Amino acid sequence: NAGVTQTPKFQVLKTGQSMTLQCAQDMNHNSMYWYRQDPGMGLRLIYYSASEGTTDKGEVPNGYNVSRLNKREFSLRLESAAPSQTSVYFCASGIMGGSETQYFGPGTRLLVL
Amino acid sequence: KNEVEQSPQNLTAQEGEFITINCSYSVGISALHWLQQHPGGGIVSLFMLSSGKKKHGRLIATINIQEKHSSLHITASHPRDSAVYICAEGGADGLTFGKGTHLIIQP
Repeated sequence: NAGVTQTPKFQVLKTGQSMTLQCAQDMNHNSMYWYRQDPGMGLRLIYYSASEGTTDKGEVPNGYNVSRLNKREFSLRLESAAPSQTSVYFCASGIMGGSETQYFGPGTRLLVL
Repeated sequence: KNEVEQSPQNLTAQEGEFITINCSYSVGISALHWLQQHPGGGIVSLFMLSSGKKKHGRLIATINIQEKHSSLHITASHPRDSAVYICAEGGADGLTFGKGTHLIIQP
């Protein structure tokens, strides 16, 4: 089992460019999450999907969109990147909600110039 | 919104010492998570608990629901335990994280 995979590992964007971060899990989990990690701020929830076909905003959703493509895949899109979106992005999955162990991907380091 | 506070922010200790990291949260929770993030950046779940105590090897996690407080203990600490330890409150809509404790164990 690969667990949770993320692509790309590292990306540099110019302000205004768009990109999609991909996440996939092979553990048959219902819930998937996107978090960002910034120095001094800790990890914060951007969006989550409690089950296939549903998505909801987290603490910091502005500037992002998500798609739960199927049970395995959950993508995060930046339509017009801004320097404030420079961060490390982690995808995670769990059987059901925050009351179960979550499994994290390796992260995507994004730099917006 | 639940607030999760961790202490200390930074901790340096000598190999073999007993380590305690504390976590406080502000409202009732469904589960309390302890995570480890190594210098390479990967995040691993260590414990999830809603009551009592859990032990895995040299790591022990406890929670006091009435006091809204949890602790992570490391016995016989080793340089390979050097990492950031993160406490998080779990709910149906994902995790709310503390800012982490940066632990360095010196040989």
